[in-house]
Amino acid sequence: EIVLTQFPGTLSLSPGEGATLSCRASQSVISNYLAWYQQKSGQPPRLLIYGASTRATGIPDRFSGFGSGTDFTLTISRLEPEDFAVYYCQQYGGSPRYTFGQGTKLEIK
Amino acid sequence: QVQLVQSGAEVKKPGASVKVSCKASGYNFDSFGISWVRQAPGQGLEWLGWISVYNGKKNYAQKVQGRVTMTTDTSTNTAYMELRSLRSDDTAVYYCGKDLTYQEGYVDIWGQGTLVTVSS
Repeated sequence: EIVLTQFPGTLSLSPGEGATLSCRASQSVISNYLAWYQQKSGQPPRLLIYGASTRATGIPDRFSGFGSGTDFTLTISRLEPEDFAVYYCQQYGGSPRYTFGQGTKLEIK
Repeated sequence: QVQLVQSGAEVKKPGASVKVSCKASGYNFDSFGISWVRQAPGQGLEWLGWISVYNGKKNYAQKVQGRVTMTTDTSTNTAYMELRSLRSDDTAVYYCGKDLTYQEGYVDIWGQGTLVTVSS
């Protein structure tokens, strides 16, 4: 079973700073089928990045995804107030077919 | 615009069943699969399963296998998720989501969520 571990659990930063969120898989993610989602309280998730590094439609270029194999990173440059939320990574193709990480909460310092 | 509109909140007793609907509009419903994901209060996201609207192919999470059925109705552009033998730990917000591309793997459009509360 493929498990995604996100760290840190909580990240406290100020607007304008840069953020680095990590997602580590217990096994290699098939064909880098890895996505990042942003979720704000009371809302559904929002797709940010897919294929490890491709930004979804309408996503600002301050969001970037990197990585391959088992180690993946989401970076957010120049944090805006609306970026403070919970971020999840998700893999597809392993066993189980889809897995989410437990999330990283990005909070205002 | 592309959107998914889900049915309203439900309160069920343990052992009962719930059927959540997800009505699609603004795109070719037949061409994209639908995933179902749930989120227990204060918890993370949990994948429940996926269905191809095109050919009915399904993949269910092992945790709910045997209790869940996912279907679609192309005449009304609606997907359904039925969960049976409800338990208190099934209490969650249930989301449907549309595949990003013709191939499954990512969800780009989500429904607004349906709160299912299981309580005696």
